[in-house]
Amino acid sequence: NAGVTQTPKFQVLKTGQSMTLQCAQDMNHEYMSWYRQDPGMGLRLIHYSVGAGITDQGEVPNGYNVSRSTTEDFPLRLLSAAPSQTSVYFCASSYEDRHTGELFFGEGSRLTVL
Amino acid sequence: GDSVTQMEGPVTLSEEAFLTINCTYTATGYPSLFWYVQYPGEGLQLLLKATKADDKGSNKGFEATYRKETTSFHLEKGSVQVSDSAVYFCALHPNTGNQFYFGTGTSLTVIP
Repeated sequence: NAGVTQTPKFQVLKTGQSMTLQCAQDMNHEYMSWYRQDPGMGLRLIHYSVGAGITDQGEVPNGYNVSRSTTEDFPLRLLSAAPSQTSVYFCASSYEDRHTGELFFGEGSRLTVL
Repeated sequence: GDSVTQMEGPVTLSEEAFLTINCTYTATGYPSLFWYVQYPGEGLQLLLKATKADDKGSNKGFEATYRKETTSFHLEKGSVQVSDSAVYFCALHPNTGNQFYFGTGTSLTVIP
């Protein structure tokens, strides 16, 4: 069972470059989300989606863009990378009933912006 | 707004010691409460949950009770093992909306 798959696992960028973090899930989950994890800050929600064609902003959306063209995929785009975006990024998905269910996480993507 | 506060780490314990990691929350209504665990180099995975007041979640020897009167969901284990070394996150989901709220995480190291 693949679950939630994130690529790449590691990436180094220069300031101003753009890139896309890929996320795919094979559990037919409607809800997908992106978090960033920073020391002392816990996990902070960047963007989320409740279904194909529907996305919304989380707590820290600036500098990131998302789209959801299929149920399976939810890519996160960094438009012009900045050192403040150095972080570990996690994609997570969930069943429709998020109030009682659980989030399923990918293994993370560690991004360094120089 | 909704938030979770958990005890600062890191926590270092000897094997077979008793573990408590404190978690308190702020939320309107009746949120669901969760503990997630992150082992080194991995993503988070659900450890246990409770969806209403006085519920006790349990898994792998860990327990937490949803206390509405004290707005708390403290994680406990009677006898920790080296394999329990990980980062533990308390989280909540409000009774409405699409956002989960996570605490800052507590790093636990268990030494033989």
